[in-house]
Amino acid sequence: EVQLVQSGAEVKKPGESLKISCKGSGYSFTSYWIGWVRQMPGKGLEWMGIIYPGDSDTRYSPSFQGQVTISADKSISTAYLQWSSLKASDTAMYYCARSTYYYGDVDYWGQGTLVTVSS
Amino acid sequence: QSALTQPRSVSGSPGQSVTISCTGTSSDVGGYNYVSWYQQHPGKAPKLMIYEVSKRPSGVPDRFSGSKSGNTASLTISGLQAEDEADYYCCSYAGSYTLRVFGTGTKVTVL
Repeated sequence: EVQLVQSGAEVKKPGESLKISCKGSGYSFTSYWIGWVRQMPGKGLEWMGIIYPGDSDTRYSPSFQGQVTISADKSISTAYLQWSSLKASDTAMYYCARSTYYYGDVDYWGQGTLVTVSS
Repeated sequence: QSALTQPRSVSGSPGQSVTISCTGTSSDVGGYNYVSWYQQHPGKAPKLMIYEVSKRPSGVPDRFSGSKSGNTASLTISGLQAEDEADYYCCSYAGSYTLRVFGTGTKVTVL
């Protein structure tokens, strides 16, 4: 069974750093892309970027380029999304999701990680 | 890159059909056959309902169908059921620079 299990909710202060994770199982982690999606409170879905764990090829949506870093450790089948300096506007639910190609539709989703940034 | 345009809400009685539109441009919906639809219940992760415009993953009821004409994609739910009440989002590949763009989302209400 394909599963994407994300790390737990986080509460951080503005300016702090954060790295959240997404662990894949039930499939060949290095053969699929992992994308990240933001959903701000009460709002819609936004595509952030995508990584191919097989060779770490990473692509960012223009709105998120330079704002976050996407990475992966294929040895432990885990993808990451990280911030170096959080802002209150980063408060959102973040989902990871799998796709066969960087241009392909995502099929399986993680359960989401709620990030709250507040002073 | 602007979000794809969806109606804010649609509603129907049990057993009826509803159709949700998703309007983009020739740079996204109209340019590629990678349009997908996701169902999201409150507090839950999105679930894939339709991929590559009209393909249905295993386990998704056949009352869900997708299509595309020009720059507009559509999701039709036939034989509406109570459990279909949720938010629905379309998503399209939009080229190697923008990557992907989601729709604004549509709330489906079963009367």
